[in-house]
Amino acid sequence: DIQMTQSPPSVSASVGDRVTITCRASQNINNRLAWYQQQPGKAPKLLIYAASSLQSGVPSRFSGSGSGTDFIFTIYSLQPEDFATYYCHQAYSFPRSFGQGTKVEIK
Amino acid sequence: QVQLQQWGAGRLKPSETLSLTCTVFGGSFSGYYWNWIRQPPGKGLEWVGEINYSGNTNYNPSLKSRLSISIDTSKNQFSLTLTSLTAADTAVYYCARGNVFFDNWGQGTPVTVSS
Repeated sequence: DIQMTQSPPSVSASVGDRVTITCRASQNINNRLAWYQQQPGKAPKLLIYAASSLQSGVPSRFSGSGSGTDFIFTIYSLQPEDFATYYCHQAYSFPRSFGQGTKVEIK
Repeated sequence: QVQLQQWGAGRLKPSETLSLTCTVFGGSFSGYYWNWIRQPPGKGLEWVGEINYSGNTNYNPSLKSRLSISIDTSKNQFSLTLTSLTAADTAVYYCARGNVFFDNWGQGTPVTVSS
């Protein structure tokens, strides 16, 4: 099974800040990685797929990069509605797996 | 606009069987894999399994012995059955569309397993 290690577990930031989250796969997953946002009590929402492609309707301040085992997710200019938990997800092999999540909190 | 609506029993006892159903409204039902994903209280996401229009399935090995996912193409529905429940199965269960990445999700069904 592929393990996804996400860091940091939490980050405190202010509106307007840039936030960076990393995700490392235990083996090569090419670009089969997605990023999701989850608000409390809600279902996750797909933001980035194939490591760097922006899902339709998602603001351009969200960005993803990386390939192989190391991936980066960036929020440029954090907005109030961006305070949430973010998960990476590998879709290279079964069983599908997720990172542990990163909670973006208000500083 | 694709919408996934799910329902099922929310409170069960240990050793009982969980049954959940997800109905897909709008969009294409064929050509996709339909997934179940769960989230224990305060924890991260765990992929449970998936099924496609033809009935081909992939299951998480950690659940495979207790899990069955089925599909009813006439109703645009797919269902999860999980047997021999324990407290460790307590979670919010989500249905989701996705061949690779999960681009549409149901609202989630909280399931509590307790005596």
